[in-house]
Amino acid sequence: GENVEQHPSTLSVQEGDSAVIKCTYSDSASNYFPWYKQELGKGPQLIIDIRSNVGEKKDQRIAVTLNKTAKHFSLHITETQPEDSAVYFCAASGAQAGTALIFGKGTTLSVSS
Amino acid sequence: SQTIHQWPATLVQPVGSPLSLECTVEGTSNPNLYWYRQAAGRGLQLLFYSVGIGQISSEVPQNLSASRPQDRQFILSSKKLLLSDSGFYLCAWSAGTGYTEAFFGQGTRLTVV
Repeated sequence: GENVEQHPSTLSVQEGDSAVIKCTYSDSASNYFPWYKQELGKGPQLIIDIRSNVGEKKDQRIAVTLNKTAKHFSLHITETQPEDSAVYFCAASGAQAGTALIFGKGTTLSVSS
Repeated sequence: SQTIHQWPATLVQPVGSPLSLECTVEGTSNPNLYWYRQAAGRGLQLLFYSVGIGQISSEVPQNLSASRPQDRQFILSSKKLLLSDSGFYLCAWSAGTGYTEAFFGQGTRLTVV
């Protein structure tokens, strides 16, 4: 089955800096790669996703890149703000009906002002 | 719009007691439903998923079971809780086929004492 590795496990940056979180996956059939943000005591919320027919996607300060050949994808946050502090999860899944998302172990991002 | 409800928000149970966590989805039909467990440092671990009433797939052997008695209802159960069952349990749903985002409930913090 699918296995997703996520690095780093913790990341501390100064406000205004950029943050990059990287993930690798094992199943070459996976073709959907979302990123979730989880605040303390709450369920994860989708912040951006990318599908295998796209190499890069951007939404304001957040961007995701995908390299299917190398089986890795990354989350980029620019101009970080204290409210970006949270746990971020990457995930991967295939297109078959009922295919569940397999998650990485998460990255705790701390943005200090 | 679609909403997902999960309860209770917190639960403290003694070892050996039974467990029943309930999740319901509104505003959609025939969703895929999922139970995840989040333990510190282990990310989101998929426990069960269901593509329809009475159809349950288990991802890991454990002390838990799941049932789907109605289209939009998903129940996580245990006959006898173990200390190791403590964690943050999350229910999620997605549209009927893969390749789409999953929406999470707010989670249940279970502490087994």
